[in-house]
Amino acid sequence: GQNIDQPTEMTATEGAIVQINCTYQTSGFNGLFWYQQHAGEAPTFLSYNVLDGLEEKGRFSSFLSRSKGYSYLLLKELQMKDSASYLCARRDSGGYNKLIFGAGTRLAVHP
Amino acid sequence: GAVVSQHPSRVICKSGTSVKIECRSLDFQATTMFWYRQFPKQSLMLMATSNEGSKATYEQGVEKDKFLINHASLTLSTLTVTSAHPEDSSFYICSASDGRTEAFFGQGTRLTVV
Repeated sequence: GQNIDQPTEMTATEGAIVQINCTYQTSGFNGLFWYQQHAGEAPTFLSYNVLDGLEEKGRFSSFLSRSKGYSYLLLKELQMKDSASYLCARRDSGGYNKLIFGAGTRLAVHP
Repeated sequence: GAVVSQHPSRVICKSGTSVKIECRSLDFQATTMFWYRQFPKQSLMLMATSNEGSKATYEQGVEKDKFLINHASLTLSTLTVTSAHPEDSSFYICSASDGRTEAFFGQGTRLTVV
């Protein structure tokens, strides 16, 4: 939604690495978030980028290029429990810093 | 991370009745709260943004008279779905922010209108 694009579905093998890309509208940009959401549950925070570069946090890393309006979430050493939807969200620089979410990428990890 | 409590987690109501959903920040003061709706296999759609003590700002296409939002204190915001109909059945999620980096989500409320 709202000019945030990410793939609808991805599949990967346990133990492998997967990269989920996200492109977004750059005007009024004030930060890029990644959330994980299991079916029927609320999203949980994974990462936040506001400056260009890579942020690493354990098995998960997130990259941002502000000029290109591009981010990716990198998941290493995939586990079965990583099967979930991954939501890319852009924060507006307007008054309330609201988060606008992409449609989400459903990742299926198989043995 | 900070804790946001949303209640109830599930509710079933009859068509035409109203349902109130509460969102509480338990260990921080939430200057801003956001309400989202999520249909199956779809992403979170922002419905409205509320600031303590002022009127909520609704997103385009969201009926403010149908989805009443009150943010009376720095720890509590409520969403009331008035005259609910089956098409209002959805997963409603709040998030709360104290103006720092991230907003924290409640557990969500599964509303079923029969």
